[in-house]
Amino acid sequence: DAMVIQNPRYQVTQFGKPVTLSCSQTLNHNVMYWYQQKSSQAPKLLFHYYDKDFNNEADTPDNFQSRRPNTSFCFLDIRSPGLGDAAMYLCATSRGLAGMSDTQYFGPGTRLTVL
Amino acid sequence: TQLLEQSPQFLSIQEGENLTVYCNSSSVFSSLQWYRQEPGEGPVLLVTVVTGGEVKKLKRLTFQFGDARKDSSLHITAAQPGDTGLYLCAGRDNYGQNFVFGPGTRLSVLP
Repeated sequence: DAMVIQNPRYQVTQFGKPVTLSCSQTLNHNVMYWYQQKSSQAPKLLFHYYDKDFNNEADTPDNFQSRRPNTSFCFLDIRSPGLGDAAMYLCATSRGLAGMSDTQYFGPGTRLTVL
Repeated sequence: TQLLEQSPQFLSIQEGENLTVYCNSSSVFSSLQWYRQEPGEGPVLLVTVVTGGEVKKLKRLTFQFGDARKDSSLHITAAQPGDTGLYLCAGRDNYGQNFVFGPGTRLSVLP
């Protein structure tokens, strides 16, 4: 059974055209994360929500925003995608932020192409 | 900002061989996770280690967390082609501030 679901799996957008990626979870976890992963690189954390508390990484561009309307859903909004934003976007969840509860469970990812 | 280093970066072996990959840092981690990622998919959790000196086994995979909680290793016995993938270690530093991934070890097991 899928626990972290990402839709769509593949997204194509045009340069500068806003795009939203979706993530949902059935684990009832407190924390949801968004990562960007470019080819042959490790995932890079963009931001996370602990419940409704939003935590932005210092080097995440302003072009990236996130919304978490409820426990189950979290969205990644890219306001004006550039060619450099083409990547795999991964959503993850965890129960908490310490010890075993910090274990993150990942969705299958959404591969974003920017034309 | 602490870094997680992984070695080797690439590893290509024959089916049936044993291998060990390493994850090292100069910082203390409250926990470390190991993931395997296949092309076009998200990382899949293999194990979490939290106690210094801890050893966990998952079938042919053995994970060890260093006594000082600064390093970890993954040993695979009798590797199979299905073990092929990118092995990532990740963790949060002891201050709880930063969650980071290592760069990964890309393993290829040839039949």
